[in-house]
Amino acid sequence: KQEVTQIPAALSVPEGENLVLNCSFTDSAIYNLQWFRQDPGKGLTSLLLIQSSQREQTSGRLNASLDKASGRSTLYIAASQPGDSATYLCAVSITTSGTYKYIFGTGTRLKVLA
Amino acid sequence: DGGITQSPKYLFRKEGQNVTLSCEQNLNHDAMYWYRQDPGQGLRLIYYSQIVNDFQKGDIAEGYSVSREKKESFPLTVTSAQKNPTAFYLCASSIAGTGVSVQPQHFGDGTRLSIL
Repeated sequence: KQEVTQIPAALSVPEGENLVLNCSFTDSAIYNLQWFRQDPGKGLTSLLLIQSSQREQTSGRLNASLDKASGRSTLYIAASQPGDSATYLCAVSITTSGTYKYIFGTGTRLKVLA
Repeated sequence: DGGITQSPKYLFRKEGQNVTLSCEQNLNHDAMYWYRQDPGQGLRLIYYSQIVNDFQKGDIAEGYSVSREKKESFPLTVTSAQKNPTAFYLCASSIAGTGVSVQPQHFGDGTRLSIL
């Protein structure tokens, strides 16, 4: 059974720091991995999606890497800002009986201090 | 603008009552999903639908029911059989995956359900 783990559960950093969020999964048979941002009381906003054949994706100050064989992904945030404060979730897509679904991690709650 | 609309934002359920959460999308997506989010936990899949008039149970379907009569709509009913319904409910949609290229999921803003 696929399990997704995110460590740490919470993180506080001063503004301007570069930081790395970690995501690990137990079964390497995934189709893609997606990183999301969730603000309190809101839905999820997709940040980056990495297909299983890719190694990384970049968007602005965000860079996500994928090492499928070792079951790991990292989300790198450069020059963090207070506006980056949110919960970050990763999810892997798997297939079950021919249909696709996502398995989510429990998230990392990030606070960037001004 | 294209997107997913969930309503209501807040919902209260009385004992023994069924309540229905609405999810509408205008993204022309084939696939739609319902998730439940509890504090400190990740999202758990309740039901999903890859095409109109078809849906499958997710990991925690007991006490819930859905319908998919239109491509744009995927309502979730929380029945009285669901003994612990207090949670944040999220609806999502995506282009149905083909081969190994599964498209990203887009989410609504959620409905918070509480017990009276």
